[in-house]
Amino acid sequence: DTGVSQDPRHKITKRGQNVTFRCDPISEHNRLYWYRQTLGQGPEFLTYFQNEAQLEKSRLLSDRFSAERPKGSFSTLEIQRTEQGDSAMYLCASSLGLVASTEAFFGQGTRLTVV
Amino acid sequence: DAKTTQPNSMESNEEEPVHLPCNHSTISGTDYIHWYRQLPSQGPEYVIHGLTSNVNNRMASLAIAEDRKSSTLILHRATLRDAAVYYCILYFIGNQFYFGTGTSLTVIP
Repeated sequence: DTGVSQDPRHKITKRGQNVTFRCDPISEHNRLYWYRQTLGQGPEFLTYFQNEAQLEKSRLLSDRFSAERPKGSFSTLEIQRTEQGDSAMYLCASSLGLVASTEAFFGQGTRLTVV
Repeated sequence: DAKTTQPNSMESNEEEPVHLPCNHSTISGTDYIHWYRQLPSQGPEYVIHGLTSNVNNRMASLAIAEDRKSSTLILHRATLRDAAVYYCILYFIGNQFYFGTGTSLTVIP
């Protein structure tokens, strides 16, 4: 296992189009997180899953955003009707979330540019 | 959200120790103190974490104040590869990792 994998690494889309990102976590990790990061800012929490259950969603996650983790393994983040303000780096992380003393492993991110 | 306060930026000379401070006055008893760093164009990378006692690993040391309201990440000998944004995070199970704006560390050759 080589860590958390995100695909694609870069995505350029026209405003109004839908985009979908994929995250493959470390195989035994039961927790999966999505974050968004804009230039000069720290990552902002979007949502997280424990196994296949989506346990928390940020208010940043508007109705245009949806995330799934259908079998408790990989996850997808879809953005519908993209806007220029959606341009950001989208980061995925996973952890073995049994206790708070475990670390999270982040992927390299998907950089979205909406033109 | 559990809040931490860090200086926006710091500088260090190469091969000298670096002390990165973090204040977390609202910390609760179940919060672990985590440090992550983010190199340019990379995802955040785990550095170290602790609860009450000081911690050492191959990357760094974490010194936690007795009242746990502050902590210091110590890089014993800064290298150019340590230039990154360092985030101090309070984390407890059932919550998410809350990132602030972090400290941007510049290492001067």
